[in-house]
Amino acid sequence: EPEVTQTPSHQVTQMGQEVILRCVPISNHLYFYWYRQILGQKVEFLVSFYNNEISEKSEIFDDQFSVERPDGSNFTLKIRSTKLEDSAMYFCVTVGQGNTGELFFGEGSRLTVL
Amino acid sequence: RKEVEQDPGPFNVPEGATVAFNCTYSNSASQSFFWYRQDCRKEPKLLMSVYSSGNEDGRFTAQLNRASQYISLLIRDSKLSDSATYLCVVRDFGNEKLTFGTGTRLTIIP
Repeated sequence: EPEVTQTPSHQVTQMGQEVILRCVPISNHLYFYWYRQILGQKVEFLVSFYNNEISEKSEIFDDQFSVERPDGSNFTLKIRSTKLEDSAMYFCVTVGQGNTGELFFGEGSRLTVL
Repeated sequence: RKEVEQDPGPFNVPEGATVAFNCTYSNSASQSFFWYRQDCRKEPKLLMSVYSSGNEDGRFTAQLNRASQYISLLIRDSKLSDSATYLCVVRDFGNEKLTFGTGTRLTIIP
């Protein structure tokens, strides 16, 4: 079964450091998302990405966040200067063509900011 | 009003019982609806999509009421392995964003 792969599975960083979370989407998928889930809270939308550009972003996705797909395979989320409140599980989600299909979640990257 | 609202629970239900969850959504333009289950510290996994006509998959039945803007999930003959958090997920028409409910935590008691 095709899967979405995320790395690292867990990263611990100091406040103020830059973090890059990586996702390898399913090869023929066109829509990519980043979501996050703070421990014990609900899954929150960060950003959607289609045709190599951001199609929508939430209020959470401020100037400290960026996404790109530099080589046509990896889909990355960068946090420039991490804050304590960025500690969460970050999920990469992809959807196939038509955007009505099943969502495929990566296993998540747990970010801990100290 | 929250975009997608669920009773957070927890629901503690004896094995073999039937349990029902409801979810309400605020945007009448919402197009697609799903139930996901999430085990502790794991990613959400699709349980089933929800169609207007209602759909069933084994012990699980999902229903959609567009007029009242709610979705339901019924689990019959509950098993210990059904213990998880159940997430209601809504996708709006013309908008790729997915909105998650807070989840309903279910514990099946032996």
